[in-house]
Amino acid sequence: EDQVTQSPEALRLQEGESSSLNCSYTVSGLRGLFWYRQDPGKGPEFLFTLYSAGEEKEKERLKATLTKKESFLHITAPKPEDSATYLCAVQAIPSGGGADGLTFGKGTHLIIQP
Amino acid sequence: EPEVTQTPSHQVTQMGQEVILRCVPISNHLYFYWYRQILGQKVEFLVSFYNNEISEKSEIFDDQFSVERPDGSNFTLKIRSTKLEDSAMYFCASRATADYGYTFGSGTRLTVV
Repeated sequence: EDQVTQSPEALRLQEGESSSLNCSYTVSGLRGLFWYRQDPGKGPEFLFTLYSAGEEKEKERLKATLTKKESFLHITAPKPEDSATYLCAVQAIPSGGGADGLTFGKGTHLIIQP
Repeated sequence: EPEVTQTPSHQVTQMGQEVILRCVPISNHLYFYWYRQILGQKVEFLVSFYNNEISEKSEIFDDQFSVERPDGSNFTLKIRSTKLEDSAMYFCASRATADYGYTFGSGTRLTVV
C-alpha cells in the first residue's frame, strides 16, 4: 500500500526565516511526486511534479527536491502570504490498469508571522 | 488561467437523500477525478474517469457512488443514499494527459444531517 508521511505537522516561522518541509513516501513504483498548496476551504493548488531522484524544481521562494525515499520543499525567505497547508502526494506506476489516483499525506500547516 | 468549476459550493442534505455534485473540468482535459477530504483528514482518492468509463476506483467508492459525464463538458458525482459519514469536502480534478499535473476545483462542502 502506498504511504505518504509529512513532517512537521505544523510549522511557525518568522517572515524571512527559511526552512524545509519533509515528505517521506513508500510506493511500489513512483510515477510522480506532487506538491500542492491548500488554503482554508479551497482546493489544492498545483506547485510541482517531480519524476525521478535528483530532480529539482523551483518557483519563486519554493524549491522542491526528490530522493528515492523522500522529497523536501524548501522555503526561502518566506512571506506571510506563503502561509498555507502544503500537501505532498504520490502517483504509483500502474500494475495492470488504473493506479492513476494520488495518495496524499496529511500536510504541513505553515504559518509565517510578520 | 483555466479553472475547474464545481457547483454548488455548499450543500446540506438529509441522511438517506440522493445528492449530485457537479463539475466542469478544463475543456481540453481528458482525465477526470473525484477526491474527498473529511474535515481535518487527508485528501482521499475516490475515482478516476477516462474515455467515458471508470479507470480506477478506491474502496471508498462503493455502490452508493456513481459518476457520469453526461454531455461532454460536465462531470458529476452522485451519492444515492447519503450517510452522516459522507459529510466532507468533495474535490473534482482534471488533467490533460496521464503525465500532467492535476488541476483541482474549489470543492463542494457536503453536510449530511
